[in-house]
Amino acid sequence: DAGVIQSPRHEVTEMGQEVTLRCKPISGHNSLFWYRQTMMRGLELLIYFNNNVPIDDSGMPEDRFSAKMPNASFSTLKIQPSEPRDSAVYFCASSSGLKNEQFFGPGTRLTVL
Amino acid sequence: SQQGEEDPQALSIQEGENATMNCSYKTSINNLQWYRQNSGRGLVHLILIRSNEREKHSGRLRVTLDTSKKSSSLLITASRAADTASYFCATGRNSGNTPLVFGKGTRLSVIA
Repeated sequence: DAGVIQSPRHEVTEMGQEVTLRCKPISGHNSLFWYRQTMMRGLELLIYFNNNVPIDDSGMPEDRFSAKMPNASFSTLKIQPSEPRDSAVYFCASSSGLKNEQFFGPGTRLTVL
Repeated sequence: SQQGEEDPQALSIQEGENATMNCSYKTSINNLQWYRQNSGRGLVHLILIRSNEREKHSGRLRVTLDTSKKSSSLLITASRAADTASYFCATGRNSGNTPLVFGKGTRLSVIA
């Protein structure tokens, strides 16, 4: 298994542009989590899905952020419009119902100029 | 809000020494997990301890949990340069597929 796959690995964009981050969870995992990591705030949960259904999006900072999971093998996190304070590393993680262990992707390092 | 707080924030030791990192949390938990993050990489799960367990071992790792003090410790014995990374504790409030709340981590440097 290739593990959790995220793309792109790095994204540099200008303020006001739309950014789309992508995630492919591990096959067979039924939960998917989006986290954001910054030096100041550490690792924070943005949103998570169980069986493709969003369960808790209370961590999404603003309406500029949206996430979808159209099927069990794909999820997107979109920021529109992006702002410099959105600069961070965004991680996707997935897990199965058998254990609490989460498997993380390599992350997307986003820089908004 | 952050649930776990690791202590110390940074730790530097010589290869072969033991490294101990501590974690405190605020609310009741179902389980506590430790993860490692190498620079520029995603987090990797190391070990999970459930709220009804007090100690757990995995290779050179030993984790303890004291629910009365809401604290946990991670001990890495006979450290190696490859253990250099950031270590995070994460708490799960429920069993099953629920989010984890992470601390800010301890940055461990093992000097060869």
